[in-house]
Amino acid sequence: GAVVSQHPSWVICKSGTSVKIECRSLDFQATTMFWYRQFPKQSLMLMATSNEGSKATYEQGVEKDKFLINHASLTLSTLTVTSAHPEDSSFYICSAPKSAGAGEQYFGPGTRLTVT
Amino acid sequence: AQSVTQLGSHVSVSEGALVLLRCNYSSSVPPYLFWYVQYPNQGLQLLLKYTSAATLVKGINGFEAEFKKSETSFHLTKPSAHMSDAAEYFCAVSKDQAGTALIFGKGTTLSVSS
Repeated sequence: GAVVSQHPSWVICKSGTSVKIECRSLDFQATTMFWYRQFPKQSLMLMATSNEGSKATYEQGVEKDKFLINHASLTLSTLTVTSAHPEDSSFYICSAPKSAGAGEQYFGPGTRLTVT
Repeated sequence: AQSVTQLGSHVSVSEGALVLLRCNYSSSVPPYLFWYVQYPNQGLQLLLKYTSAATLVKGINGFEAEFKKSETSFHLTKPSAHMSDAAEYFCAVSKDQAGTALIFGKGTTLSVSS
């Protein structure tokens, strides 16, 4: 079945540096991907919709200059956390729709970011 | 705007007992509803989904959920709990009618005791 991968699975970085997280659809094309954030023992919060070939759409309250999203191809979306701070430490999860209109999402395994 | 409310952040059952995890939704359009399970340090796994077909939806691992429009509910049940069912369970609704991004409930932690 279709699979969504994320890289890296975990990363530790120093405060002030930038971190890039990749989300790939492995055997299908995804014109749209979604990025979620999950704090420990909490739910997933939608951060943004990544659109291939166009600008991402950010949810209210999400800083687009801090969380840069690029969807350069039909199988790859990247999330860059710029000038990371400890409060950015979280579990970042991406997903891609199984097909247009189906509603079902394929979720990546997540990336755990720790900012020290 | 679409939303889901999961009643009970923590549910504890004995092995072999009925599992009931509650979810109520709010949607301005016919909803797509989902239940996902997350085991510790793992990604989300789809248990089942409702997409306006049969109101009683059967999923994996013996779970099922019933869509009740009159009650705006989509509760998850399993007749007999197993130790391996201990995990975090999330109810979710599609953000819009096209069924794309998901809006998640806060989650319910299921504990199963022997």
